[in-house]
Amino acid sequence: KAGVTQTPRYLIKTRGQQVTLSCSPISGHRSVSWYQQTPGQGLQFLFEYFSETQRNKGNFPGRFSGRQFSNSRSEMNVSTLELGDSALYLCASSTGLAGEQYFGPGTRLTVT
Amino acid sequence: AQKITQTQPGMFVQEKEAVTLDCTYDTSDPSYGLFWYKQPSSGEMIFLIYQGSYDQQNATEGRYSLNFQKARKSANLVISASQLGDSAMYFCAMREERSGGSNYKLTFGKGTLLTVNP
Repeated sequence: KAGVTQTPRYLIKTRGQQVTLSCSPISGHRSVSWYQQTPGQGLQFLFEYFSETQRNKGNFPGRFSGRQFSNSRSEMNVSTLELGDSALYLCASSTGLAGEQYFGPGTRLTVT
Repeated sequence: AQKITQTQPGMFVQEKEAVTLDCTYDTSDPSYGLFWYKQPSSGEMIFLIYQGSYDQQNATEGRYSLNFQKARKSANLVISASQLGDSAMYFCAMREERSGGSNYKLTFGKGTLLTVNP
């Protein structure tokens, strides 16, 4: 069974631009969660989608948004990029119920 | 609110020896899951082991076992027979597991950097 895939793996953007990251979960998984990892703040929850509905959202500004498609693939968008948005963005895939949760390789975003 | 505490910023172990990484948690939810992940320098978060709060037996996955002590709110990871490739950051995490998954998010500890010496 294929694992969680994320594209692109690396991205360099300038302040003020916007970016879209993509995540394809494990086949059969209906839940996709997004996390931001920085050296200062550690791993922080952004949001979680289950069957195309956002079930939960973390404490991030409205510049961070996401969506999920009918095939469970998810995208995350960050508008008006700031230097502080430089981070590793990880998505996680699961059934959406109890049990294991698997991460993708991450997208490393650098904002200059 | 949920909280995960990993008190060991760094740990050293000799190759082939066992090591225990500590994790304590705090939650008021009766149903939750506990996770351990390994993150090598490449950045990928690798799932190691999962324990449900109602599971009677401690979870094991190959060389990894989770020492779950519910009354003490502790979920320590034991790695047996350490290998050089085990050198990485290790994160403990927890998640509510209510019916319907209404608060489905992982709360992470700050991590423990494990170094395996030859």
